[in-house]
Amino acid sequence: NAGVMQNPRHLVRRRGQEARLRCSPVKGHSHVYWYRQLPEEGLKFMVYLQKENIIDESGMPKERFSAEFPKEGPSILRIQQVVRGDSAAYFCASSPGDRNSPLHFGNGTRLTVT
Amino acid sequence: GDSVTQMEGPVTLSEEAFLTINCTYTATGYPSLFWYVQYPGEGLQLLLKATKADDKGSNKGFEATYRKETTSFHLEKGSVQVSDSAVYFCALRIRGTASKLTFGTGTRLQVTL
Repeated sequence: NAGVMQNPRHLVRRRGQEARLRCSPVKGHSHVYWYRQLPEEGLKFMVYLQKENIIDESGMPKERFSAEFPKEGPSILRIQQVVRGDSAAYFCASSPGDRNSPLHFGNGTRLTVT
Repeated sequence: GDSVTQMEGPVTLSEEAFLTINCTYTATGYPSLFWYVQYPGEGLQLLLKATKADDKGSNKGFEATYRKETTSFHLEKGSVQVSDSAVYFCALRIRGTASKLTFGTGTRLQVTL
């Protein structure tokens, strides 16, 4: 079984451009979580989604960031008008929604803003 | 709010040494506790978990016991190997909900020959 698939693995954007990060959860998982990891720091929660719904977006910056998890297709984390401070590794995790199931993580997308 | 505090790294040990990485937590509810490991350039992998007080999680020689009285979940291994070099993250999740994981800042372990 394939795990959580994230693409691209590496993404380079110039300041002001848009970044789109994709996440395909483990087959059968309906819950997706996005985290951001700055260099030499821990993981900061951004957003938690179920199919077509945002459940918890308490960690999302108020501007420029958005996330979706449509009925069909991968979850997308979108960053508009990127700035250098957005450079980080972005990790997606999924779970089946069972209350005590662990989260399964992808290998991340490393965004570099030049 | 919920939070996890880990000992700062890096932790440098010789092969076959004993490992302890301290983790304490603060939670508004009754949490499940987890240790994840991150190898260079990769995502996080679940190492072990415990869902209630006095439970011991174990995997690959690593152990951690859920201590409610001290709100701790310290990671231990009796004899580390070079291949254990990685970053270790302690995390909590409020039990009974499909909510987010809250992570500590991570502890880097470097094992040398």
